[in-house]
Amino acid sequence: KAGVTQTPRYLIKTRGQQVTLSCSPISGHRSVSWYQQTPGQGLQFLFEYFSETQRNKGNFPGRFSGRQFSNSRSEMNVSTLELGDSALYLCASSLSQSSLNEQFFGPGTRLTVL
Amino acid sequence: KNQVEQSPQSLIILEGKNCTLQCNYTVSPFSNLRWYKQDTGRGPVSLTIMTFSENTKSNGRYTATLDADTKQSSLHITASQLSDSASYICVVSRTGGGADGLTFGKGTHLIIQP
Repeated sequence: KAGVTQTPRYLIKTRGQQVTLSCSPISGHRSVSWYQQTPGQGLQFLFEYFSETQRNKGNFPGRFSGRQFSNSRSEMNVSTLELGDSALYLCASSLSQSSLNEQFFGPGTRLTVL
Repeated sequence: KNQVEQSPQSLIILEGKNCTLQCNYTVSPFSNLRWYKQDTGRGPVSLTIMTFSENTKSNGRYTATLDADTKQSSLHITASQLSDSASYICVVSRTGGGADGLTFGKGTHLIIQP
């Protein structure tokens, strides 16, 4: 069974630009979550999608948004990029939203904002 | 406030030696505790998941313990190998939450020297 895939793996953007990241969950998984990981803060929860609906959202500004498609694939978008948005963005999938379900992480997208 | 504290922040040991990583948490109500291994530039990979009733769980050379009374967990690595060099992240889940109910520690950076 293929794991969680994320594209692209690396991105370099400049301040003010916008970016879209993509995540394909494990087949059969309907819940997709996004996280931002920086050396100083560790993993920070961005949002969670289940059945094409955003179920939970972390404490990030409105510049961060996302969506989920009917095939469970998900995208996240960051508009008006700032230097502080440089981070590893991780996507994780699980069977459902239950806290008992294991989350499987993708390899991440490394975003660098210049 | 839900928090997960890990210690030490970083650790260097010689190949073949054992080591123990610590995780203290204040997450409530508690659902489960997970240990992840994250290689540099990769997504986290699950090592163990423990619920309230489990005291010990092993995965090869990795053994996790949980004391729900003191809200402490440890991850013991036996006979370390160079491939164990990674960050180890403790994640605690609260009951009833989805991905927003996960509290991540900042990780312990482990370096195995030959």
